[in-house]
Amino acid sequence: AQTVTQSQPEMSVQEAETVTLSCTYDTSENNYYLFWYKQPPSRQMILVIRQEAYKQQNATENRFSVNFQKAAKSFSLKISDSQLGDTAMYFCAFPHNAGNMLTFGGGTRLMVKP
Amino acid sequence: EAGVAQSPRYKIIEKRQSVAFWCNPISGHATLYWYQQILGQGPKLLIQFQNNGVVDDSQLPKDRFSAERLKGVDSTLKIQPAKLEDSAVYLCASSLASGVYEQYFGPGTRLTVT
Repeated sequence: AQTVTQSQPEMSVQEAETVTLSCTYDTSENNYYLFWYKQPPSRQMILVIRQEAYKQQNATENRFSVNFQKAAKSFSLKISDSQLGDTAMYFCAFPHNAGNMLTFGGGTRLMVKP
Repeated sequence: EAGVAQSPRYKIIEKRQSVAFWCNPISGHATLYWYQQILGQGPKLLIQFQNNGVVDDSQLPKDRFSAERLKGVDSTLKIQPAKLEDSAVYLCASSLASGVYEQYFGPGTRLTVT
């Protein structure tokens, strides 16, 4: 069974600084996708970024980028130029099945300080 | 475009009572998911539908939980009888199709079992 581990329960960063959230996973599959989701306080979960395992290039979405290391089964999220609106729970997720039912990590609570 | 709708937003019941949650996915989305999110944890998958058929319910505690999506649109998740440990937020998500498509999450139903 796939497992997803986020080892940092809480992190904080100063506004405009850069922060990296860690995620490791375990799978025997070779082709798969990985996701980072954001859940702001009292708001809905939204997709931040997605990485395809067969692609060498790390995914980037504006201020969000990933460092994907397939051999190490590591998938970290880097947030550049942190903004107050980035304050949220961040979840790393991995498909449980071919239908993309997701297994989530335990989450990292990120606080951006002014 | 309207998002995923869920109701009720909050529900308080006593243990051993029954409860039902409703989800209306984004129009045209064939795939629907239910997740359980206990406070301070990542969402845990429960069941996945493709149109009106179940794709994966291997994580659903079938002794007390049931779910249906009769006409391939709205879905209902039921708990009968409820236990204290069922206190959680129940999230519904939908995606265009099964596979690696973005999942759009609803606001969730917060259940408290006393």
